[in-house]
Amino acid sequence: DAGVTQSPTHLIKTRGQQVTLRCSPISGHKSVSWYQQVLGQGPQFIFQYYEKEERGRGNFPDRFSARQFPNYSSELNVNALLLGDSALYLCASSLVPGQMEGYTFGSGTRLTVV
Amino acid sequence: AQRVTQPEKLLSVFKGAPVELKCNYSYSGSPELFWYVQYSRQRLQLLLRHISRESIKGFTADLNKGETSFHLKKPFAQEEDSAMYYCALSAQYGNKLVFGAGTILRVKS
Repeated sequence: DAGVTQSPTHLIKTRGQQVTLRCSPISGHKSVSWYQQVLGQGPQFIFQYYEKEERGRGNFPDRFSARQFPNYSSELNVNALLLGDSALYLCASSLVPGQMEGYTFGSGTRLTVV
Repeated sequence: AQRVTQPEKLLSVFKGAPVELKCNYSYSGSPELFWYVQYSRQRLQLLLRHISRESIKGFTADLNKGETSFHLKKPFAQEEDSAMYYCALSAQYGNKLVFGAGTILRVKS
């Protein structure tokens, strides 16, 4: 099992640009969650998706959006990038929402906004 | 509101010394509490959860509802324990984790 895979591993964007991050969950996992980890802080919840529907949303502006595909993979989109969006973006997958058994994180995508 | 506080950014101990990483939480319901660990250049991984009441790599943590604490303890630190440790909570039947800011544990030889 490849575990939770995220792509790309690193990228650099300019202020005002848009970015798309991708996540493939563990085989059999149907729920995907996204977190933002700013340097020096713990991960902060952004979204959770299950069966292609949004099940939870953290305190993030509308510039952040996500979607889940029929194969349960997910994309996180951030529009109009700000310097403060520079962070490690983590994806986590689980069988279903609320089931923390087997809740597994990916290695993350390091986004730098310049 | 759900909040997790880890008061120490850095904890430095000698090999063989006891370790206690502090975690306090605020949540009005019955949360599920976790400790996650991140070793250098590795992904975030679950160390233990209060429901399972396991001891993993010699670490234990007891949920104290009266003090709203979930401190992580190990009687004898080893150099390979050096890592970043995060305390986290999940609301009952919740769908997200709320993390503390993390504590760096450095075990010196």
